[in-house]
Amino acid sequence: DVKVTQSSRYLVKRTGEKVFLECVQDMDHENMFWYRQDPGLGLRLIYFSYDVKMKEKGDIPEGYSVSREKKERFSLILESASTNQTSMYLCASSLTSIEAFFGQGTRLTVV
Amino acid sequence: EDQVTQSPEALRLQEGESSSLNCSYTVSGLRGLFWYRQDPGKGPEFLFTLYSAGEEKEKERLKATLTKKESFLHITAPKPEDSATYLCAVLTGANSKLTFGKGITLSVRP
Repeated sequence: DVKVTQSSRYLVKRTGEKVFLECVQDMDHENMFWYRQDPGLGLRLIYFSYDVKMKEKGDIPEGYSVSREKKERFSLILESASTNQTSMYLCASSLTSIEAFFGQGTRLTVV
Repeated sequence: EDQVTQSPEALRLQEGESSSLNCSYTVSGLRGLFWYRQDPGKGPEFLFTLYSAGEEKEKERLKATLTKKESFLHITAPKPEDSATYLCAVLTGANSKLTFGKGITLSVRP
């Protein structure tokens, strides 16, 4: 079974902190994604990566950056957390043109 | 810009009452369309992949179909355990961008 593991289920951070969300997949997938999910807005793509060190902006990249130094790991970075970044963050991975598999999500609260 | 619209936003059914969920899309270069199920507090769980117009996939009480502009998820004789949010996503672009609709919350009453 494909396993996508997110480092934390719940996080509470203070405004202005630098926040790292980690995601690891164990199936040698080329593609990895970061989404945020908010009530009424659905899943919105923040960034995705189609290869090591390669990344593309999604629909809402502002206030976020990403890092993919190794194929199995994709990190989402909130440079200076703000309260409007309180959300559920979901990581996914996939082979090209094949379905994506999701982690369990990280519920981030910024206070 | 790729757009995915799901309707209705919410659907309440009686157990055994069949219905369909719609996903319409406007994209350039569709490479695949996916249906997912999501339970509260969990990540989405993959259901189906459709690649070309006319394609159909079935699993238990669910059947997914695809045309050039939309996809349907048909639910036959639903049970309360089918209650969940159903998400549709499109795969586009050379670098595999995956864009989701807002989802349809299905509630099945016993």
